[in-house]
Amino acid sequence: SQQGEEDPQALSIQEGENATMNCSYKTSINNLQWYRQNSGRGLVHLILIRSNEREKHSGRLRVTLDTSKKSSSLLITASRAADTASYFCATALSGGSYIPTFGRGTSLIVHP
Amino acid sequence: ETGVTQTPRHLVMGMTNKKSLKCEQHLGHNAMYWYKQSAKKPLELMFVYSLEERVENNSVPSRFSPECPNSSHLFLHLHTLQPEDSALYLCASSQVIDRENTEAFFGQGTRLTVV
Repeated sequence: SQQGEEDPQALSIQEGENATMNCSYKTSINNLQWYRQNSGRGLVHLILIRSNEREKHSGRLRVTLDTSKKSSSLLITASRAADTASYFCATALSGGSYIPTFGRGTSLIVHP
Repeated sequence: ETGVTQTPRHLVMGMTNKKSLKCEQHLGHNAMYWYKQSAKKPLELMFVYSLEERVENNSVPSRFSPECPNSSHLFLHLHTLQPEDSALYLCASSQVIDRENTEAFFGQGTRLTVV
């Protein structure tokens, strides 16, 4: 069964607004990664946050990790139409498999 | 370009055909993966090769047969597929160090249609 589960499944916003997506997982992790997928293409890695980190930034992306709640969030600030894509979280289990497992993703639509 | 190349990009095959998907990575990674992505389903892990040995076979039907001849190449051999096998097949690679995974790099995928 998949480890990460994204929420919401779909998100529709206007350009310039912020977009927040959440990821929940079930067991202890070494790290958590966020990926983006444009329609029908491969996934592209966005950011990796380790289990001992609480927050990480990359450009307009901000990722938080709360290991006590087994959850992470991805915030995209000042969204653009080009941010329209599906976003996935992937987890690597601690003390176990390193294999990244994915959820269903959040489909983000940013209207110009 | 991510350094992971998949061919072909699109494939239409009949249920009695035999075909192969190819994946090549130029990143020097030591792990390669096949994922299946169907509409409205999670990305399903199919096979994992680490240091050219298969380490994961996620209850995949035998009509899918992987092959990893070296650390840079991964194949998925297909035979007698069913229409429900139509999906986007994604290859990925990563560098695994001390069981800690680094970022995975994905190919653009092969869109497979079984008729």
